[in-house]
Amino acid sequence: DTGVSQDPRHKITKRGQNVTFRCDPISEHNRLYWYRQTLGQGPEFLTYFQNEAQLEKSRLLSDRFSAERPKGSFSTLEIQRTEQGDSAMYLCASSLPLGLAGETQYFGPGTRLLVL
Amino acid sequence: AQKITQTQPGMFVQEKEAVTLDCTYDTSDPSYGLFWYKQPSSGEMIFLIYQGSYDQQNATEGRYSLNFQKARKSANLVISASQLGDSAMYFCAMREVDSNYQLIWGAGTKLIIKP
Repeated sequence: DTGVSQDPRHKITKRGQNVTFRCDPISEHNRLYWYRQTLGQGPEFLTYFQNEAQLEKSRLLSDRFSAERPKGSFSTLEIQRTEQGDSAMYLCASSLPLGLAGETQYFGPGTRLLVL
Repeated sequence: AQKITQTQPGMFVQEKEAVTLDCTYDTSDPSYGLFWYKQPSSGEMIFLIYQGSYDQQNATEGRYSLNFQKARKSANLVISASQLGDSAMYFCAMREVDSNYQLIWGAGTKLIIKP
């Protein structure tokens, strides 16, 4: 299977701990996106990479959040000093750089985070 | 103001019937794309269908079609001959060319197919 993969699928942590999630995009896709989705809502954009460059960050991405894509392949999203409000599904997507409105983003299975 | 509005929080439909899921959008960008995704309870967001703002024809993909009414700014998803496996959340999303490629999402519609 050559789709987008995410690890772990589920994470339970205690408030104040740090967590890190990984996303492996479809191999030829050099655009990568992170979204956060809370229960009953649509996803909210967090950040976007083209190759290794982080080109846009949402104001939702507080100082406790950091994302990297060091070699332009997989990406990591780290949350420091987790809070209960960070509990959500974290979705990763990738796309080919078609430069058009129709550039389709393909999503991974997501990581469900629960902060106790 | 909401850029993507899905007015149906939930719908129940009998198996084998057609179903229409509503989506209206708001943009001043002349070039944009509209997408529908399906999210089963497992959580993965599955791409269904795409409509470009300059496309003359309504998009179709198998049992999915998009009823695109540009002047009314609506992009409704039509699922023909619904199946039990169609039960899921359905999200409408838009990307404006000037938005640096991020998708803007509606709140979703929960579709339940009854046997």
